[in-house]
Amino acid sequence: DAKTTQPPSMDCAEGRAANLPCNHSTISGNEYVYWYRQIHSQGPQYIIHGLKNNETNEMASLIITEDRKSSTLILPHATLRDTAVYYCIPGGTSYGKLTFGQGTILTVHP
Amino acid sequence: DGGITQSPKYLFRKEGQNVTLSCEQNLNHDAMYWYRQDPGQGLRLIYYSQIVNDFQKGDIAEGYSVSREKKESFPLTVTSAQKNPTAFYLCASSKGRDSSEKLFFGSGTQLSVL
Repeated sequence: DAKTTQPPSMDCAEGRAANLPCNHSTISGNEYVYWYRQIHSQGPQYIIHGLKNNETNEMASLIITEDRKSSTLILPHATLRDTAVYYCIPGGTSYGKLTFGQGTILTVHP
Repeated sequence: DGGITQSPKYLFRKEGQNVTLSCEQNLNHDAMYWYRQDPGQGLRLIYYSQIVNDFQKGDIAEGYSVSREKKESFPLTVTSAQKNPTAFYLCASSKGRDSSEKLFFGSGTQLSVL
């Protein structure tokens, strides 16, 4: 499985963009990059995923470098409800085998 | 609304006792999963099922058992053989046609040992 490196914690002001980086230099060619988030004592919530191209949905944007060794999740206008642990996960080649590591604790301040 | 329902939210187990955690989904998904999360840690896969009457062991299946008699239901039994059962248990589902599909999670069950 590909290893990931995420900063343990980040802060963001409400209304500003939150940019969460992830390093996944050992990702294999057929693995997607998934992002999930988990609010305290709840189940993880899917945010977005991509293979090679940048992706955008109603929640966030995902920027993947051309060499696929890193990616950035962008929350364009962070709100207090975006405070959560954010997980960057390479995977999608085996059922359910998404390795949720420690993630990044994002705290959005008023 | 469609989704995944886990019950109970909190469960207590006595020494030597088996307990069963419920997971029901009305998303018409074929695949279902059970994960365990310890405090401050990520998720670890216990069991998964891609179709009714079939299931596979995950990374930490010892001390756990499952059944998949109905598409909507995937209960997890924590047996007395699981010596360290205290954890947050999460059930998830996906459409199941492709291993790259996104997972939908329930709200979890916190299991504690008395």
